[in-house]
Amino acid sequence: DQQVKQNSPSLSVQEGRISILNCDYTNSMFDYFLWYKKYPAEGPTFLISISSIKDKNEDGRFTVFLNKSAKHLSLHIVPSQPGDSAVYFCAADFGGSARQLTFGSGTQLTVLP
Amino acid sequence: GAGVSQSPRYKVAKRGQDVALRCDPISGHVSLFWYQQALGQGPEFLTYFQNEAQLDKSGLPSDRFFAERPEGSVSTLKIQRTQQEDSAVYLCASSPGTSGGAGYNEQFFGPGTRLTVL
Repeated sequence: DQQVKQNSPSLSVQEGRISILNCDYTNSMFDYFLWYKKYPAEGPTFLISISSIKDKNEDGRFTVFLNKSAKHLSLHIVPSQPGDSAVYFCAADFGGSARQLTFGSGTQLTVLP
Repeated sequence: GAGVSQSPRYKVAKRGQDVALRCDPISGHVSLFWYQQALGQGPEFLTYFQNEAQLDKSGLPSDRFFAERPEGSVSTLKIQRTQQEDSAVYLCASSPGTSGGAGYNEQFFGPGTRLTVL
């Protein structure tokens, strides 16, 4: 039973355009949502997070949107750069005493020069 | 070092062999997590330590998997009698905070150990 789903295994975007990565979840008890970025042979690196009480969080070129009623979140990257090419994982955190992350299966983003 | 380190980076084991995977977290980090990442999947939680206490081991797939953090810093994940389905990347993460705190405690991941069981 996958509680966090990323239905697009891959996405290609032209440099300078917007990249939109999507994520759906099933458990309404999640407290925080996060995006991690992973390059080959490296561990995931934290990118941006959003609390369940907010609907938007912005950090430079990265913005995460949360739609709780739809149990959906998305990561927008504007403008996309070739260095953004990586696997992006959506993750969720129950908060409280259970701080392990529940990950989606990832989306490979390729930014074409 | 500045980040989480793991060793070995690659391990090939014959089926039935025991393996031990090491994680050196960021100095001073209280929380330590182990995840298993199968090919083409996201990381899946295995176990969690707060200092030397193992507070959650609900993700360990079988009693062949054992983790310890005896002095609250370095952790070892041991897999006994390895099976082919154990082949995966094993990721360690550490976090400065403890469970139950307000806000989100970012987890810092190591590069992982790729285990291949033949």
